[in-house]
Amino acid sequence: SQKIEQNSEALNIQEGKTATLTCNYTNYSPAYLQWYRQDPGRGPVFLLLIRENEKEKRKERLKVTFDTTLKQSLFHITASQPADSATYLCAPSPSYNQGGKLIFGQGTELSVKP
Amino acid sequence: NAGVTQTPKFQVLKTGQSMTLQCAQDMNHNSMYWYRQDPGMGLRLIYYSASEGTTDKGEVPNGYNVSRLNKREFSLRLESAAPSQTSVYFCASSKPGQGNQPQHFGDGTRLSIL
Repeated sequence: SQKIEQNSEALNIQEGKTATLTCNYTNYSPAYLQWYRQDPGRGPVFLLLIRENEKEKRKERLKVTFDTTLKQSLFHITASQPADSATYLCAPSPSYNQGGKLIFGQGTELSVKP
Repeated sequence: NAGVTQTPKFQVLKTGQSMTLQCAQDMNHNSMYWYRQDPGMGLRLIYYSASEGTTDKGEVPNGYNVSRLNKREFSLRLESAAPSQTSVYFCASSKPGQGNQPQHFGDGTRLSIL
């Protein structure tokens, strides 16, 4: 079955450093992969989408990579700030012809200390 | 912009009681979703509606029913609540696509079943 794995342990980093979060998927090849941010008590908020034929996508301080050989996506936040503290979810599309469905990873909690 | 609105925000039920969770979106999206989020499990899809009048089971549909009342509204019903259904429930909506459209989430309903 299709499986998504994100770092289960919280990531603690110092302000100004680069945070790197990992998303691994197995048993299929998604055409798209999305990343979301979730704050406590709130719903997830969309951040970035990357396609299978794109190696890298950037948006301001955010960068996402998509390695279809390793079956892995990396999510980077450069020059991190305490306001970046949240849980980050990866969500690959399950496969073709499944409509808008996504499969969500369990999320990685990021804590940026001043 | 309201986006996706869920009601109620909190609810406590006794085992065996029934209730309906309401969701409405004002973005004219065709697709709507119901998820549950449990600690360590990530978001799991309960039901999905690609358009008004159509619904489809997700990963964990047992114990739930849905109604796509119109394009704006998608409700989730628990006919006979069980403690295992204690969770945070999120509704989301998106444009039609194949996993390439961002999903927009409400802020959830926190449901406790005693």
